[in-house]
Amino acid sequence: DVKVTQSSRYLVKRTGEKVFLECVQDMDHENMFWYRQDPGLGLRLIYFSYDVKMKEKGDIPEGYSVSREKKERFSLILESASTNQTSMYLCASSFNQVHSIHFGPGTRLTVT
Amino acid sequence: GQQLNQSPQSMFIQEGEDVSMNCTSSSIFNTWLWYKQDPGEGPVLLIALYKAGELTSNGRLTAQFGITRKDSFLNISASIPSDVGIYFCAGQRGVTFGTGTKLQVIP
Repeated sequence: DVKVTQSSRYLVKRTGEKVFLECVQDMDHENMFWYRQDPGLGLRLIYFSYDVKMKEKGDIPEGYSVSREKKERFSLILESASTNQTSMYLCASSFNQVHSIHFGPGTRLTVT
Repeated sequence: GQQLNQSPQSMFIQEGEDVSMNCTSSSIFNTWLWYKQDPGEGPVLLIALYKAGELTSNGRLTAQFGITRKDSFLNISASIPSDVGIYFCAGQRGVTFGTGTKLQVIP
């Protein structure tokens, strides 16, 4: 069974702080994704990665960056957190371009 | 990015009723996926569709890949309280998601 884990379920940060959200998958998946989920807007793709050290912008990359130094780990970085980045953040992974993706439990981030 | 229009946005139904929801796209997709998200959890895959016209069932759930490849439908028969949650459609293996349908089941 695929397991995608996220470092925190709940996180509270102050405006201007640098925030790291960590995601690890244990199934040797090639692809990893970061989404944010907001009421009425569904899941919006922030960044994704098809391989180690590779990254692609999704639909809403502004204010975020990512890092994939190892295949199993994909980090989302908020360089300077702002209140409009308060949201649920979901990490996901998939084996390749054909297979469906599997989600982690999510991190609810509040920026005050 | 591409937009998936999912409807309805929310629904309240009585236990035992059937449920239908759909998703439409302005672009053609080669894959349609349906996910369910329980409160406080990440979405979990329910059904994957890979071929236009395909009709696939998973227990009380049935999903169809539209002939035009621009839409998909999910039906839930004889709803039960644990069907409560948010249902998402996704195209292109999860790169694009719909806005979700929030389902509430009244016992």
